[in-house]
Amino acid sequence: GNSVTQMEGPVTLSEEAFLTINCTYTATGYPSLFWYVQYPGEGLQLLLKATKADDKGSNKGFEATYRKETTSFHLEKGSVQVSDSAVYFCALKSITGGYQKVTFGTGTKLQVIP
Amino acid sequence: EPEVTQTPSHQVTQMGQEVILRCVPISNHLYFYWYRQILGQKVEFLVSFYNNEISEKSEIFDDQFSVERPDGSNFTLKIRSTKLEDSAMYFCASSVNRGPYEQYFGPGTRLTVT
Repeated sequence: GNSVTQMEGPVTLSEEAFLTINCTYTATGYPSLFWYVQYPGEGLQLLLKATKADDKGSNKGFEATYRKETTSFHLEKGSVQVSDSAVYFCALKSITGGYQKVTFGTGTKLQVIP
Repeated sequence: EPEVTQTPSHQVTQMGQEVILRCVPISNHLYFYWYRQILGQKVEFLVSFYNNEISEKSEIFDDQFSVERPDGSNFTLKIRSTKLEDSAMYFCASSVNRGPYEQYFGPGTRLTVT
């Protein structure tokens, strides 16, 4: 079955530091890949996505590139802010017989300190 | 921008009681989902619903769970006899249709079973 593995947290960084959160996946076919963010006390928000190999998703300074050869979708940001403190989930969406399902990773908590 | 809404935001119930979690999907969406997130763990797929029937369900979605679209706007998740391990955040999501369409998530309902 499909699975998503992401680095364990928590990740603690100083403001303006470079962020990488690793994500690798196992899936049949050609899934779409996503990063979701969950701020404290809130629901899931789509951060960025990529639907095919070599696509780069980007939003709010975050980027991730769909690497089929390494089955990876690592999240990066050049300079984090305190407001980026949240839990980040890597996810893939597969479609079988017209029906879609999203499989999530375990989440990585990011804490940015001033 | 249209969004998925969920009520209540927090539900506390005693073990063995029935609970109904409510969701209002985005109005022109036809495909609905429930996910849950046990505290500190990953988001897990429960069930998808299309054309007034369950499309797919996970092994978590046993006979204690049921879903319903009682009218043109609400989508509900019922837990018949709650257990302590049902304590979790429950997320509703909807998409325009089945196939390669974005899932939009609600803010979640935190269920606490005592």
